[in-house]
Amino acid sequence: AQSVTQPDIHITVSEGASLELRCNYSYGATPYLFWYVQSPGQGLQLLLKYFSGDTLVQGIKGFEAEFKRSQSSFNLRKPSVHWSDAAEYFCAVGAQNNNNDMRFGAGTRLTVKP
Amino acid sequence: KAGVTQTPRYLIKTRGQQVTLSCSPISGHRSVSWYQQTPGQGLQFLFEYFSETQRNKGNFPGRFSGRQFSNSRSEMNVSTLELGDSALYLCASSPVRDRNGRRTGELFFGEGSRLTVL
Repeated sequence: AQSVTQPDIHITVSEGASLELRCNYSYGATPYLFWYVQSPGQGLQLLLKYFSGDTLVQGIKGFEAEFKRSQSSFNLRKPSVHWSDAAEYFCAVGAQNNNNDMRFGAGTRLTVKP
Repeated sequence: KAGVTQTPRYLIKTRGQQVTLSCSPISGHRSVSWYQQTPGQGLQFLFEYFSETQRNKGNFPGRFSGRQFSNSRSEMNVSTLELGDSALYLCASSPVRDRNGRRTGELFFGEGSRLTVL
């Protein structure tokens, strides 16, 4: 079965600084990859997704992620973080044969310093 | 379009009781998945329903069950509650295919039902 590792439990960045959240996946074929964001007390909102094609995908709120097959990674980036980006971020992988059995990483909590 | 609606949002039960949580998916979405979220275990897949049939199941005991109705609404039930069942239960719906007929794995989540077991 597919699995996801998010190595960083908690990251703190200053407002206006750049951000990169790491995600490594394990899956035998080309996966479906996702990044979701969760604010306190809320459900998860999709930021972006990769199915195939261009390995650099753009998402909402100025986020982007790059799929690197050789490194089994799908890192999330943002050039300039805003205070409203403080939240928990989840990387997820879905199998191509049944993409609704989605496996999530443990999440990375982002704190933004003023 | 209305989002995924979960009820109740909060509930408190005692050990040994049972609980039923409800999920109304986005109109037109036929797939409904359930996840359990806890600080220790993170987001864990419970099961997925499609056209009233359970299509996938995670690694949870038989105390956790679900069903889906003909209008795609779904319920999950937990019997004989244990303290460790305290969690945020998230429901997510999916259109399965987009307007062009392509498969889409995107899940649309509700805000969850927070269950506390005392």
